[in-house]
Amino acid sequence: GAGVSQTPSNKVTEKGKYVELRCDPISGHTALYWYRQSLGQGPEFLIYFQGTGAADDSGLPNDRFFAVRPEGSVSTLKIQRTERGDSAVYLCASSTNLNTGELFFGEGSRLTVL
Amino acid sequence: AQKVTQAQTEISVVEKEDVTLDCVYETRDTTYYLFWYKQPPSGELVFLIRRNSFDEQNEISGRYSWNFQKSTSSFNFTITASQVVDSAVYFCALSEDSGNTPLVFGKGTRLSVIA
Repeated sequence: GAGVSQTPSNKVTEKGKYVELRCDPISGHTALYWYRQSLGQGPEFLIYFQGTGAADDSGLPNDRFFAVRPEGSVSTLKIQRTERGDSAVYLCASSTNLNTGELFFGEGSRLTVL
Repeated sequence: AQKVTQAQTEISVVEKEDVTLDCVYETRDTTYYLFWYKQPPSGELVFLIRRNSFDEQNEISGRYSWNFQKSTSSFNFTITASQVVDSAVYFCALSEDSGNTPLVFGKGTRLSVIA
């Protein structure tokens, strides 16, 4: 497809389990971002990739969260030992390297930790 | 530190009314960028506008217009003759550098346009 694709769209898991969320950005976009959106809140920055490297991971809340982008395209957000407070919609966005600030967002992955 | 405040949590208007969504920002930088995004029920945020701190000209795009005032640190968004399809959550955002630095979003304003 032409847009940012995120899978799964919905994920329900139990506390303590490991979760992976996948983002497939728009072809050719070198910048990729992960945001987290809790109910009634705005998106909160987690991590940003420029190519394969994490340019800024200052938003990751703790060491249970990790993200990779090994080939500079698809990215995976990994959450270990999930907690109920991790429940949120995880948004992925991509952009060109033209510094326009125009991010193209996916529809998000809704994570529910029981 | 950068901060974006959208004081209006929810607004409800009748179709064809004009509506203004407020946005107030805080930053120590002299160079920064302001954005508005729309989030329809599908959940996918859609970029509406980007404005840099050196350009205080108001902008109009169809029924949408934006008023940027550095003196009050505000970047308000007006929809003229609102339509039901305008119903969504609208987010104002700030970046203290050009595009590729992380955007800081406000909490959003939920707009409901009633037919």
